[in-house]
Amino acid sequence: NAGVTQTPKFQVLKTGQSMTLQCAQDMNHEYMSWYRQDPGMGLRLIHYSVGAGITDQGEVPNGYNVSRSTTEDFPLRLLSAAPSQTSVYFCASSSRGWASGATDTQYFGPGTRLTVL
Amino acid sequence: TQLLEQSPQFLSIQEGENLTVYCNSSSVFSSLQWYRQEPGEGPVLLVTVVTGGEVKKLKRLTFQFGDARKDSSLHITAAQPGDTGLYLCAGANPDDMRFGAGTRLTVKP
Repeated sequence: NAGVTQTPKFQVLKTGQSMTLQCAQDMNHEYMSWYRQDPGMGLRLIHYSVGAGITDQGEVPNGYNVSRSTTEDFPLRLLSAAPSQTSVYFCASSSRGWASGATDTQYFGPGTRLTVL
Repeated sequence: TQLLEQSPQFLSIQEGENLTVYCNSSSVFSSLQWYRQEPGEGPVLLVTVVTGGEVKKLKRLTFQFGDARKDSSLHITAAQPGDTGLYLCAGANPDDMRFGAGTRLTVKP
């Protein structure tokens, strides 16, 4: 099993450009989430999905879109990148998630380091 | 302002010393998790606590969940250089998942 994979590992964008961060998992997990990690801020939840076709907003959803057409994939889209979106982005998956009251292990990908100039 | 406050922010100790790091909140959580993160990698789950007053031990690591389910502590006995990393706590409720900013621990040989 590859676990949770993220691509690309590094990305530099100019303000206003769009891009999609890819996330895939091969553990047949229902829950998938996107977080951003900034110095001194910890991880903040952007969007999450409790299953294919279902997504919901987290703490900091503005400027980001998600969709979940398959169990395996959960891409994060930046429609018009801004310097404030410079961050390290982590995708995570779990069999069940906090929304169902479960405490299953959340597995994180290796992250994408994004710089917006 | 962080919903979960972790202290200290930085901690540098010698191998063999004991340490405790804290995770405090004014909010009640259904469960609380501790993660360790190494540079360039994603966080890795260490433990989940769900019951107020619960204590869990993982080799040299002891985790405690406060009686009111608002705070938690992580105690490491006889720290080793391999314990070096960023320790994150995360509190979960059915409608939310929040992380603290972390404690960056360095254990010197």
